[in-house]
Amino acid sequence: DSGVTQTPKHLITATGQRVTLRCSPRSGDLSVYWYQQSLDQGLQFLIQYYNGEERAKGNILERFSAQQFPDLHSELNLSSLELGDSALYFCASSLTGGAGYGYTFGSGTRLTVV
Amino acid sequence: EDQVTQSPEALRLQEGESSSLNCSYTVSGLRGLFWYRQDPGKGPEFLFTLYSAGEEKEKERLKATLTKKESFLHITAPKPEDSATYLCAVQAGYGGATNKLIFGTGTLLAVQP
Repeated sequence: DSGVTQTPKHLITATGQRVTLRCSPRSGDLSVYWYQQSLDQGLQFLIQYYNGEERAKGNILERFSAQQFPDLHSELNLSSLELGDSALYFCASSLTGGAGYGYTFGSGTRLTVV
Repeated sequence: EDQVTQSPEALRLQEGESSSLNCSYTVSGLRGLFWYRQDPGKGPEFLFTLYSAGEEKEKERLKATLTKKESFLHITAPKPEDSATYLCAVQAGYGGATNKLIFGTGTLLAVQP
């Protein structure tokens, strides 16, 4: 157990729907990151939050949004889902938001859009 | 644009047959290079961080090294339980505003008994 908790583990939904993925960071970590992993593209950085504020944005679609709450848990919202959004979505956390530190990943949410 | 390339894409070894995985990178201002191990259906598990050329880190049968353009993950006398995908990632840029990691696509290692 890495200490980063993601729920749900699996999610199957239809095209056009909206889903919310949840992440609880490791105790004491202030920064949360979201990554998407698909078979053909590897791990792609989506977005980073640090202590409730957005710190960096990567290849995140406009249909996707995220936030980090005062208790530091984070949610990734995916809307108007398409077949191509099917992937593993990972959350990771680190103590700081600055450079020089690696981070700890959760076990992921497998999203299947049918 | 910052880029990470890993080779080979897949590697099959016999138990005890040592080899190396390569990670080459092109970044503006390397802040750190990271190696992760990922088992099927699970999240990446942290192995090593390297910060400067010449640095080396070891853990059991794994040894990571870093030059100015690439990193190697050496696997000595591998065992079947070393089978996994090995991911390389870099943290780059100046200013320290973010520590996002840019990942390569990984090397899938299979060690046969």
